[in-house]
Amino acid sequence: GEDVEQSLFLSVREGDSSVINCTYTDSSSTYLYWYKQEPGAGLQLLTYIFSNMDMKQDQRLTVLLNKKDKHLSLRIADTQTGDSAIYFCAETEDTGFQKLVFGTGTRLLVSP
Amino acid sequence: ETGVTQSPTHLIKTRGQQVTLRCSSQSGHNTVSWYQQALGQGPQFIFQYYREEENGRGNFPPRFSGLQFPNYSSELNVNALELDDSALYLCASSFQEQFDPYEQYFGPGTRLTVT
Repeated sequence: GEDVEQSLFLSVREGDSSVINCTYTDSSSTYLYWYKQEPGAGLQLLTYIFSNMDMKQDQRLTVLLNKKDKHLSLRIADTQTGDSAIYFCAETEDTGFQKLVFGTGTRLLVSP
Repeated sequence: ETGVTQSPTHLIKTRGQQVTLRCSSQSGHNTVSWYQQALGQGPQFIFQYYREEENGRGNFPPRFSGLQFPNYSSELNVNALELDDSALYLCASSFQEQFDPYEQYFGPGTRLTVT
């Protein structure tokens, strides 16, 4: 089965850190992904983590993976108003072809 | 290198009508996937085309169909439109032989409203 869950909403102040959480079900996913969607736009791949890793850092972004608990998080340091968007985590499902299974998305609102 | 483009941007149709949405893949990509994103939801996989053949399909009825052309552009066709088909339709292109990681590049989407 495939079920990716996220909290719906997060509000932070500019300059604070944001942490967006996600739980997934498919333990066979090789990579897990974070996408960003700004209003009226498509999805932008932010970062991904290999399932054998615990952590990946990419500039202001830190991804933490707890494979035992099937828990993924995205930390954004020094959050800016331009980070306001919807963030989706996604896992891959390989059933002879590869597809992405997305969570419901977390809306991040950054206030000045 | 051009990105993924989609047309039209917005579309309004009446229940029962048919619609065709178009996608132009990123240069060098041979696979296109289509997703439906209902308001407030994450994208749901519709189907995938690789080298002009349907490669895989999600839980969508046969009235959702597609085509991929030799230049790797693609169409999504929906027949007998229903109100629940109102959504943002996203196409994403990728290079099939690159799975690890699976990098899909999304277009801006077509917003379909069915009245």
